[in-house]
Amino acid sequence: DGGITQSPKYLFRKEGQNVTLSCEQNLNHDAMYWYRQDPGQGLRLIYYSQIVNDFQKGDIAEGYSVSREKKESFPLTVTSAQKNPTAFYLCASSINVGTYEQYFGPGTRLTVT
Amino acid sequence: AQTVTQSQPEMSVQEAETVTLSCTYDTSENNYYLFWYKQPPSRQMILVIRQEAYKQQNATENRFSVNFQKAAKSFSLKISDSQLGDTAMYFCAFMMNRAGNMLTFGGGTRLMVKP
Repeated sequence: DGGITQSPKYLFRKEGQNVTLSCEQNLNHDAMYWYRQDPGQGLRLIYYSQIVNDFQKGDIAEGYSVSREKKESFPLTVTSAQKNPTAFYLCASSINVGTYEQYFGPGTRLTVT
Repeated sequence: AQTVTQSQPEMSVQEAETVTLSCTYDTSENNYYLFWYKQPPSRQMILVIRQEAYKQQNATENRFSVNFQKAAKSFSLKISDSQLGDTAMYFCAFMMNRAGNMLTFGGGTRLMVKP
């Protein structure tokens, strides 16, 4: 089955620790995206990547970092510099930058205490 | 910068009835796409319907249809014959037709379908 996987579904960390969220897709999509969702709010873009070894900041990139070493993988690291890291994180992908439909993964709920 | 506003935080509808969710947006762009996404309790984001700004005809997908008013920058979603499985958060989203294809989301409307 083709799709986007995010693991784990729930993640707990202590304040001050970096944590990496996984996002893998087997759809052969060029573009990948990370969004953050806070309770009762819409999604906000953190980072996106149009192609391997390239990525761009979104609206709320501060305190986050990404890498895109492989086409199918786009991990997100939430660093200790992120002041309010507790949120729901969604990964998405699209065929390429010329297409408009984004496919979403199931999300990871990160709780930092 | 583009903004998307959903003025109805919560709505409810009786099963089998029709409901309309509102969305307005602000942009200076002429070429763009508009979307409605559904997020059920599982939190998986599901694309419901999309509209290309250059198309005058309103998009329709089975029980879901939109009323796209480009001059008014309005993009409402109508759900006909509401079903219990339609209970979810609904998000309106905007995408410019340029490199990056970044989505800008509204704050969402929580829809409850009552039996």
